[in-house]
Amino acid sequence: NAGVTQTPKFRILKIGQSMTLQCAQDMNHNYMYWYRQDPGMGLKLIYYSVGAGITDKGEVPNGYNVSRSTTEDFPLRLELAAPSQTSVYFCASSYSNNGYNEQFFGPGTRLTVL
Amino acid sequence: GQQVMQIPQYQHVQEGEDFTTYCNSSTTLSNIQWYKQRPGGHPVFLIQLVKSGEVKKQKRLTFQFGEAKKNSSLHITATQTTDVGTYFCAGRGAGGTSYGKLTFGQGTILTVHP
Repeated sequence: NAGVTQTPKFRILKIGQSMTLQCAQDMNHNYMYWYRQDPGMGLKLIYYSVGAGITDKGEVPNGYNVSRSTTEDFPLRLELAAPSQTSVYFCASSYSNNGYNEQFFGPGTRLTVL
Repeated sequence: GQQVMQIPQYQHVQEGEDFTTYCNSSTTLSNIQWYKQRPGGHPVFLIQLVKSGEVKKQKRLTFQFGEAKKNSSLHITATQTTDVGTYFCAGRGAGGTSYGKLTFGQGTILTVHP
């Protein structure tokens, strides 16, 4: 199993540009999550999904959108990129097990908005 | 909303010294998980605690969950250079439908000097 994969690894955007961060998992996990990690900070939940077709906002959803058309994929869309979105983005997945489930993280995408 | 605070933010130790990081939640937790993130890497699951007063050990690492299920600690005995990284606690609130969502602490960055 490849686990959780993310592309791209690095990206530089100009202010106002848009992009999609890709995330895929091959573990047949129902739950998927997007986090951002700012320097010296913990992980902030952006959006999450409990299954295909079901998504919900996390702690910091403004400026982002998600979709979940399949169990495997959970892309994160940035519209009108702003410098405040400079961060490392992690995608994660877990089994549906009443919440008592470890999260498996992808390698991350390092995004810089200039 | 639920807040999880972690202290200290930084810890520098000499190899062989012990290390402890503490995690405190503003609300009662159903469970707490600990993750380790190596420099430049992604968070990796270490352990989960569920029961009040629970203590678990992994070699030199000892994890505790408080009696009130609002705090936790990670203690490393005789640190090694391989212990370098950021240690995160992450808790899920008791009750309600949190769908496996975890609230992460801001992490403790451990540096070990050989």
